[in-house]
Amino acid sequence: SYELTQPPSVSVSPGQTASITCSGDKLENKYVCWYQQRTGQSPLLVIFHDNKRPSGIPERFSGSNSGNTATLTISGTQAMDEADYYCQSWDGSTVVFGGGTKLTVL
Amino acid sequence: QVQLVQSGPELKRPGASVKVSCKASGYSFIDYHVTWVRQAPGQGLQWVGWVRPYNGDTNSAHNLQGRVTLTTDTSASTAYLELKSLRADDTAVYFCAREHALSHFDSWGQGTLITVSS
Repeated sequence: SYELTQPPSVSVSPGQTASITCSGDKLENKYVCWYQQRTGQSPLLVIFHDNKRPSGIPERFSGSNSGNTATLTISGTQAMDEADYYCQSWDGSTVVFGGGTKLTVL
Repeated sequence: QVQLVQSGPELKRPGASVKVSCKASGYSFIDYHVTWVRQAPGQGLQWVGWVRPYNGDTNSAHNLQGRVTLTTDTSASTAYLELKSLRADDTAVYFCAREHALSHFDSWGQGTLITVSS
C-alpha cells in the first residue's frame, strides 16, 4: 500500500520560515493537500492540489510538489501556526494520510 | 455556509455496534462525496472510508472492511457511519468531511468521540 512519510516534529522561531516535508514514491504524479489541526479541533484544509490555498487561508502558507517530496512552507511563522500538520493524497480510490508533523513555534 | 454537524459522544461495550450521523447544510448534499476519518487518542488521522450520496457507492479502509457500513439519507442530507463488533482499539474521534471527488476535504464535522470499554 502507498505510504506518505513526514518528520514527527519541526521547530521554528517566530517570523522565520517553516518547511514540512511529505515523502512518497513518485509523489509528483499525485495531487497533495495539507491540513492543519490545532489541539482539540477538527482538521482545516490549508493547501490543495499541491499549491492552491482555500479562501481565508493566509498567503504565508504555500505548497510545492516535485519528485518524491511535497513541501508545506509557512513564511513569517506566527505563534498561532503551532499545530499538527498532515499531508494527504490518494492511491487509486483510497485516501492516504501522512503520519503528521508537530510544528512548534518557539 | 457549509456545515457538517455530527451526533454526540458514545460509550460502547466491546462487541457492540455504533452509528454516527453527519448532517450537512449549506450546499447540495448529492454533489459531493462524504469521507470519514478517525483519530485515536494522541495519534494521527486514519481514513475510514467514503460514500457517494448520489448513488450510494462506498469504499472503506482494508482493515475495517466487513465491520464498517457507510450510508446516506439524501432526503435528510445526512451521512451515517456504522461500525460493528467494536474493539478497544476502535476508540477514537470520528470525523466526517465534505470531499471534492478524489481530491481534498474542505469542510469537516466537529468530531464524535466513540469510547469502547468494558
